[in-house]
Amino acid sequence: AQSVTQPDIHITVSEGASLELRCNYSYGATPYLFWYVQSPGQGLQLLLKYFSGDTLVQGIKGFEAEFKRSQSSFNLRKPSVHWSDAAEYFCAVGTGTASKLTFGTGTRLQVTL
Amino acid sequence: DAGITQSPRHKVTETGTPVTLRCHQTENHRYMYWYRQDPGHGLRLIHYSYGVKDTDKGEVSDGYSVSRSKTEDFLLTLESATSSQTSVYFCAISETSGGSYNEQFFGPGTRLTVL
Repeated sequence: AQSVTQPDIHITVSEGASLELRCNYSYGATPYLFWYVQSPGQGLQLLLKYFSGDTLVQGIKGFEAEFKRSQSSFNLRKPSVHWSDAAEYFCAVGTGTASKLTFGTGTRLQVTL
Repeated sequence: DAGITQSPRHKVTETGTPVTLRCHQTENHRYMYWYRQDPGHGLRLIHYSYGVKDTDKGEVSDGYSVSRSKTEDFLLTLESATSSQTSVYFCAISETSGGSYNEQFFGPGTRLTVL
């Protein structure tokens, strides 16, 4: 069965520092991969997605992610974090029909000034 | 932003009472989903719909039912609420294009507390 693992529950970085959030997936076929962000009390917003092609995908707010098939990973990166990036981040894999998603448990990002 | 609204946004109810949450979309998207979000579990799919009157179960469907009589509305019902159903519930929508996968757009959520 498909699954998504986000090994870091909570990460703290200083403003201006670089960021990498880890995501590993388990899925038998070529995956469709997504990163969503959730600010406190809000719904989820799509940051970026990978369907095929270039394994380095660019998203909104300066985020990027790299698909590595050999490592079953889809890590999210940002070169310089802003205080407004503090939020919870979810990795998800598209599973089966009807565009269903399986989500990881999320990583909460705290940004210190 | 995708036109998705959820009502109510907050609800407190007692164990054993029925509860219905509504999701309304103005995007005319085919697929609609109900998730629950709990600490340590991320989002888990409860039920989804792939068209009017067409619904199917997700991974945590026990204790929940859904209905979709119109494209724009997807209702989630807890027939007899239990404290374990205290959660934040999110509705999402997605369109289909040529069989390809598409992103889901999420509503603002409903916080449900069952006492």
